[in-house]
Amino acid sequence: NAGVTQTPKFQVLKTGQSMTLQCAQDMNHEYMSWYRQDPGMGLRLIHYSVGAGITDQGEVPNGYNVSRSTTEDFPLRLLSAAPSQTSVYFCASSQYVLKTGTPDEKLFFGSGTQLSVL
Amino acid sequence: SQQGEEDPQALSIQEGENATMNCSYKTSINNLQWYRQNSGRGLVHLILIRSNEREKHSGRLRVTLDTSKKSSSLLITASRAADTASYFCATGSYSSASKIIFGSGTRLSIRP
Repeated sequence: NAGVTQTPKFQVLKTGQSMTLQCAQDMNHEYMSWYRQDPGMGLRLIHYSVGAGITDQGEVPNGYNVSRSTTEDFPLRLLSAAPSQTSVYFCASSQYVLKTGTPDEKLFFGSGTQLSVL
Repeated sequence: SQQGEEDPQALSIQEGENATMNCSYKTSINNLQWYRQNSGRGLVHLILIRSNEREKHSGRLRVTLDTSKKSSSLLITASRAADTASYFCATGSYSSASKIIFGSGTRLSIRP
């Protein structure tokens, strides 16, 4: 199993450009999420999904869109890149326990995408 | 604002000593997890403790959870150079509706 795969690993954008960060997992996890990590800081939740067709906002959703058309894929779209979106982006997935309404197992992380917006 | 706050922000100890990191959180949780992040890498899960548990062990790791104080601690015994990393706590709760929220992390350095 590949686990959680993120592409690209590095990306440089100009202000105003749009792009999609890809995330795919092969563990049949219902729960997927996107985080951003700024230098010297923890992870902040951008968006998450508890299954195909279901997405919701995290702590810092502005400027980002997501969709979940399949269980495997959870792309993150930057609509109009801004320098404040320069960060490292991590995708993570987990099993989801319906009866507790939470991802009740550990998160598996991708290796990250380092994004610079000039 | 972040749910979890780790203390201390940075910790430097001698190899072989024990390292203790603390995490405080704000809302009721149903589980708390600890993760390690080596420089420039993704996060790796270390241990999960549920709200009805008070202590859990995994190898050289010991985690405690005090829900009355809304706090957790991670103890790494007999530290090694390879333990040098950042450590994060993450909480999941019913009230946060499936959000797993991370704290700001503790940077641990092990001196040889």
